[in-house]
Formats: sequence, structure tokens, C-alpha cells
Amino acid sequence: AQTVTQSQPEMSVQEAETVTLSCTYDTSESDYYLFWYKQPPSRQMILVIRQEAYKQQNATENRFSVNFQKAAKSFSLKISDSQLGDAAMYFCAYRSVFGEGTQLTVNP
Amino acid sequence: EAGVAQSPRYKIIEKRQSVAFWCNPISGHATLYWYQQILGQGPKLLIQFQNNGVVDDSQLPKDRFSAERLKGVDSTLKIQPAKLEDSAVYLCASSFHSSRAGNEQFFGPGTRLTVL
Repeated sequence: AQTVTQSQPEMSVQEAETVTLSCTYDTSESDYYLFWYKQPPSRQMILVIRQEAYKQQNATENRFSVNFQKAAKSFSLKISDSQLGDAAMYFCAYRSVFGEGTQLTVNP
Repeated sequence: EAGVAQSPRYKIIEKRQSVAFWCNPISGHATLYWYQQILGQGPKLLIQFQNNGVVDDSQLPKDRFSAERLKGVDSTLKIQPAKLEDSAVYLCASSFHSSRAGNEQFFGPGTRLTVL
């Protein structure tokens, strides 16, 4: 069965600093996508970034980047130059399987 | 482009009552998902439709939950009868096509259900 694990229920970061959220997963497939979604308080879940397993290069979207380690089945999200608007729950996902989430707090 | 619409946004019912949620996906999206998100947890897939066919309902409590997607567009999720543990946010999401594993899901605002 496919599983997604986020081992950090809560993280905090100072504004303008960098933070990394961790995610591990399990699958028997060789070609797949992984996703990070953001769920701000009382707002809709939105996609932050996605990574195709066959691509060697780590995905980057502006201040958001991933560290994808296929052999280790690890998929972490790095947020650079953190902003107050980054405060949210972050979910790692594989297909329709979501992790338990990491609550990110950004301190001014 | 209009997003995923859900109604109602909030619902409070007594245990053993029935409730129904409605979802209208983004136009042209073949795949529709219903998730249950208990406070502080990640979304759990209840059912996935591809057009009007069911792809995955392995985690749907079929003794009390039912869902349909008539004509491959709108969908309704029903709980009958509700239990206290059904209190959660019910999220609807859609994607262009599930066979493309890279398709992102677009989420609606959710329906917050409280069962008393």
C-alpha cells in the first residue's frame, strides 16, 4: 500500500529565514509524481510544487524547492526567504494519499 | 476560470440524522474526489470518480456513506445516518484526468460538518 509520512507536526521559522519540511513515502511504482500542497487557515488547499520521479533535477517554483531522493523515498520542501503569508498547513501527497501535515508558523 | 464549488459551507446535525453535500468541479475535469479531513489530520480519500464511474471507494464506509456523480459533472456525497465521528471537513477536488498522475488536484472550500 502507498503511504506518505510527515514526521514534523509543527515547524516554525523566522521571517526571511529558510525552513525545510520533511516527507517520506512508499510505493512500488517506478514513475510517479509527488506533490506539496498548502492549506492556509480557513482557505482552500492549493498546489505548491510537484516533482516527477523520472526527472533528476529537483523542482523549483520561486522561493519553493524540493530535495527529492528517490532511492531513500524522501521528498522534502524547502522554503527560502520565508514570508508571513507562508504560514499554513503543508501536506505532502502521492496520488490521493496525503501525509498528516506540518503546521508552519512564520514569526515576524 | 471558476473553481471547485461546494455547498453548504457549514452544517450542524444531530447524530442519526442524514446530510448531503454537493460539489461542482471545474469545467472539463474528468476526475472528482471526495475527502474527509478530520481536524489536525491530512485529507483521507473517500471516493474517486472518473467521469461518472467509480475508480476507488475502498475507504468509503458504505454502510452509511454513499456518493454519486450523475452525467459525469456534479457530485453528491450523503451520510445516513450520521455518527459523532463523522464530524470533519468534507473536501471535494477535481483534476483534468487521473490517468495522468502529474495532474494537480484543485480543491473546493470544503463543508464543515458538526454532528451533535
